[in-house]
Amino acid sequence: AAGVIQSPRHLIKEKRETATLKCYPIPRHDTVYWYQQGPGQDPQFLISFYEKMQSDKGSIPDRFSAQQFSDYHSELNMSSLELGDSALYFCASSLKGLAGEETQYFGPGTRLLVL
Amino acid sequence: GNSVTQMEGPVTLSEEAFLTINCTYTATGYPSLFWYVQYPGEGLQLLLKATKADDKGSNKGFEATYRKETTSFHLEKGSVQVSDSAVYFCALSGPFYNQGGKLIFGQGTELSVKP
Repeated sequence: AAGVIQSPRHLIKEKRETATLKCYPIPRHDTVYWYQQGPGQDPQFLISFYEKMQSDKGSIPDRFSAQQFSDYHSELNMSSLELGDSALYFCASSLKGLAGEETQYFGPGTRLLVL
Repeated sequence: GNSVTQMEGPVTLSEEAFLTINCTYTATGYPSLFWYVQYPGEGLQLLLKATKADDKGSNKGFEATYRKETTSFHLEKGSVQVSDSAVYFCALSGPFYNQGGKLIFGQGTELSVKP
């Protein structure tokens, strides 16, 4: 079965640089979530999109932005990178149920290292 | 706000031992509850879920029952294997009408199974 695809899998950047992370959801899934997992931490919700519109926002820095495109893939843009942005970034996709019940399926993550 | 608390790890067991990982939650209404597993260097995989009180989720020998009266969702397995060594995350989402679909994770419990 098709899974969530994330690219790149690994990324090394310098401070103050910019990074773009991409996420390709499972076909026919209409919702994408982004999470950040610091070393030894639990994943923290950043932002989500439903049918190409932002649906919820969590602890996402103003330096970050994201969008979902017409083909449902999503990109997380990170500018002015800081050392503390080094983390594993997960994308998850889901299909909204009638009652809002849904199961999120996670991609393998992008490991970002900021030097 | 909503939150999830898991027992601290690491948990070290011998093969074929009984496993319990405690998880309690705080939420308004009736959230959906999940267990995700993260193997070393990999993404999050859904292990099991329950969407309403008294539901039992089960998969690969793991079980968890949604207990509204004790706000708990403890993970159990009767006989663990070395291949079960991983980090286990308890998570909740919703209720959708006021919390959306984002997942809130516990801090994770590392399980190490020795032969």
